[in-house]
Amino acid sequence: QVQLLQSGAEVKKPGASVKISCRASGYTFTSNYIHWVRQAPGQGLEWMGIVNPSGGTTTYAQRLQGRVSMTRDTSTSTVYMELSSLRSDDTAVYYCARDLNRFGCFGNWGQGTLVTVSS
Amino acid sequence: DIHLTQSPSSLSASVGDRITITCRASQSTSSYLNWYQQKPGKAPQLLIYSTSTLQSGVPSRFSGSGSGTDFTLTISSLQPEDFATYYCQQTYSIPYTFGQGTKLDIK
Repeated sequence: QVQLLQSGAEVKKPGASVKISCRASGYTFTSNYIHWVRQAPGQGLEWMGIVNPSGGTTTYAQRLQGRVSMTRDTSTSTVYMELSSLRSDDTAVYYCARDLNRFGCFGNWGQGTLVTVSS
Repeated sequence: DIHLTQSPSSLSASVGDRITITCRASQSTSSYLNWYQQKPGKAPQLLIYSTSTLQSGVPSRFSGSGSGTDFTLTISSLQPEDFATYYCQQTYSIPYTFGQGTKLDIK
């Protein structure tokens, strides 16, 4: 079955960077785009960007441009999301999600990674 | 960016009730409108995509309808496991955006 397994929780200081991994299994890694979505405590869902595991191309939310980078390693079927210059309002649960190639919907999600930014 | 507004933001209902949640978009999303269910501490789960197509494994008491800018999610007969937060999402144009969510709890 399809699984997206994310790396564990992180605690970072303001100004630092964080890199989260999302390892895919149960399907052909290069067949489906991967999205990143975050959710601040008690808040809604925010789309961060998309990466094409096949060619590595990316598109990011404009408000995160310059701070976010999404990459992939096809040898390990893993996608990475790195966010730099962390601020307290980056504290959130970060999810990776697999695009089903059906109207762009997100059919499988990772379990989430809590990133806490605190001095 | 396409802004999605859900109503109501919260809803109290009883097991067996029929409920409807609406999602209004700031511009047309064609049929690129999806619905997710999220339970506390869990990742969202896809319920409906392309306005009205039920994701595999989702019970038939869930249904979606609409077009253009106005969409609805209906649960025909609430079950205990349906009490959760529901989000609409547009995937018509990047940045993909979500509604603010509708929290459904037990009356």
